[in-house]
Amino acid sequence: AQSVTQPDIHITVSEGASLELRCNYSYGATPYLFWYVQSPGQGLQLLLKYFSGDTLVQGIKGFEAEFKRSQSSFNLRKPSVHWSDAAEYFCAVGLYSSASKIIFGSGTRLSIRP
Amino acid sequence: GAVVSQHPSWVICKSGTSVKIECRSLDFQATTMFWYRQFPKQSLMLMATSNEGSKATYEQGVEKDKFLINHASLTLSTLTVTSAHPEDSSFYICSARPHTGPSSYNSPLHFGNGTRLTVT
Repeated sequence: AQSVTQPDIHITVSEGASLELRCNYSYGATPYLFWYVQSPGQGLQLLLKYFSGDTLVQGIKGFEAEFKRSQSSFNLRKPSVHWSDAAEYFCAVGLYSSASKIIFGSGTRLSIRP
Repeated sequence: GAVVSQHPSWVICKSGTSVKIECRSLDFQATTMFWYRQFPKQSLMLMATSNEGSKATYEQGVEKDKFLINHASLTLSTLTVTSAHPEDSSFYICSARPHTGPSSYNSPLHFGNGTRLTVT
């Protein structure tokens, strides 16, 4: 069965430090991969997506993610975090065989240390 | 562009009553919309796929008679929580994908801001 794993429930980094959020997926074919961010009490905003092509994708707000097929991973990175980046981050996989159905990981809460 | 509006943003209702949540795509048409439920500090769980002009497709374990979905037009889907009980209290989020033809499956979903339902 398809699944998405985010092993880190909560991460705290200092403002200005680099960030990497981990995501691993299980899917029989090449998946469509997404990272979404959710602020408290809000909906989700798409940060970036991977469908094919260049495995390093750039997103909004200075985020990037790298698709590594051999590791079934799609980790999210940012070279220097800002206090406004504090939020919940969800990795998700889109199932081609099920139209737009998206399976979400459990999320990683990011806190920023001043 | 690609804005999804969800209304209301929060609602408090008494146990036994029904609550309707609206999801509108403001600047695009969506033949398919999705309804998710999110418990506190947890991920989003897909409840159902709302199809314009036809019956919704419910995920396993979701009661279709409890969560009524109507997708009456290409820009509006509604979720009605019938005979709500305290355990239905949750954050409900809808999403929609712009309908751009046969290859639209690779278009990202756009999410509403969610509806916080509290049943007392």
